[in-house]
Amino acid sequence: NAGVTQTPKFRVLKTGQSMTLLCAQDMNHEYMYWYRQDPGMGLRLIHYSVGEGTTAKGEVPDGYNVSRLKKQNFLLGLESAAPSQTSVYFCASSFPTMGQETQYFGPGTRLLVL
Amino acid sequence: AQSVTQLGSHVSVSEGALVLLRCNYSSSVPPYLFWYVQYPNQGLQLLLKYTTGATLVKGINGFEAEFKKSETSFHLTKPSAHMSDAAEYFCAVRGGYKLSFGAGTTVTVRA
Repeated sequence: NAGVTQTPKFRVLKTGQSMTLLCAQDMNHEYMYWYRQDPGMGLRLIHYSVGEGTTAKGEVPDGYNVSRLKKQNFLLGLESAAPSQTSVYFCASSFPTMGQETQYFGPGTRLLVL
Repeated sequence: AQSVTQLGSHVSVSEGALVLLRCNYSSSVPPYLFWYVQYPNQGLQLLLKYTTGATLVKGINGFEAEFKKSETSFHLTKPSAHMSDAAEYFCAVRGGYKLSFGAGTTVTVRA
């Protein structure tokens, strides 16, 4: 049972390049989330999904797109990377239990945009 | 909208001393509150959570937190700090499908 895994662990991009971050979970969780973590700002929600084929915007969705074609995978895309997207990205998943659910986090992806 | 404020971005304690991390929340409905810990270069993991019932919640690694509605607080404590407690701690409140996190408090433990 690997839990939540993220690929890649680290990436350097040039401004304007695109990339996709992959999140996979093997816990059969319905909900999945993408956060970014920046110093002094905690974690901010980018997008989330409450089930296969559904996605919704979080606090800071601009410049990102997501897809949830399979229940176990949640992809985060950057179409045209900007230096402001330099951050650590975390994926999380949870099983719905009336708001009490624990979110399980992946190890993170460090992204540097030059 | 639900939100949390963590008081103090850095806390330094001596090994064996009390650890106290402060969190105040804002919520228009009875809140679900969480504390997560992040060790260096790792993801977050749940320490404890308050949903309903007992206001004193015990978590992993000897941590506990008390929900005080009158003070809108959910402070985290540990009676005796250990070197392994050095980490960043995040308070969070549930709002709809989402968690709103505080800015985090970094704990350093002095030998």
